[in-house]
Amino acid sequence: AQSVSQHNHHVILSEAASLELGCNYSYGGTVNLFWYVQYPGQHLQLLLKYFSGDPLVKGIKGFEAEFIKSKFSFNLRKPSVQWSDTAEYFCAVIPNYGGSQGNLIFGKGTKLSVKP
Amino acid sequence: DTGVSQDPRHKITKRGQNVTFRCDPISEHNRLYWYRQTLGQGPEFLTYFQNEAQLEKSRLLSDRFSAERPKGSFSTLEIQRTEQGDSAMYLCASSLAFGNLNTEAFFGQGTRLTVV
Repeated sequence: AQSVSQHNHHVILSEAASLELGCNYSYGGTVNLFWYVQYPGQHLQLLLKYFSGDPLVKGIKGFEAEFIKSKFSFNLRKPSVQWSDTAEYFCAVIPNYGGSQGNLIFGKGTKLSVKP
Repeated sequence: DTGVSQDPRHKITKRGQNVTFRCDPISEHNRLYWYRQTLGQGPEFLTYFQNEAQLEKSRLLSDRFSAERPKGSFSTLEIQRTEQGDSAMYLCASSLAFGNLNTEAFFGQGTRLTVV
């Protein structure tokens, strides 16, 4: 079965530290990839997405992610985190079957706590 | 305002009762997803529709759960004979999936169900 793995359950950083959150998926074909963020008490919001083209994707609030097809990975990065980045981050994947999209599958999430 | 509306926002019910939730997607979106989320976990896929067709239903989903999208617009999720383990946030999302025209999924605020 297709799955999405997020390696870190909880990450604690100080402000200005660099961030990298891991995401791997298990699907051999073409995929669409997403990172969503959920701030405390709020709904899921899109941070960035990859459909095709440049594997280095830039999103909102200074986040970026790199799609490495050979590693089935889509890691999220930010050079310098802020206290306001404290949230839960979810990686998600849609496999593509001959040009049509499959289901949207989420990882279990990584909770990020940033100390001021 | 995300554009995806869910009603009600909160529901408290007694064990054994039936409950129904409604989701209104973004108007031009043809795909609609239902997820369940518990504290500290990622969204767990329940089912999804493309227009009025239910394309996939989670194998983990009990027969007590049923969803409809009769005219390809709004959707309802019904849980019969609720159990305490059904207590969770129920999320709806919509997207456009049509050949090369694909958008990310936009999420609603969710319906929080508490079974007492």
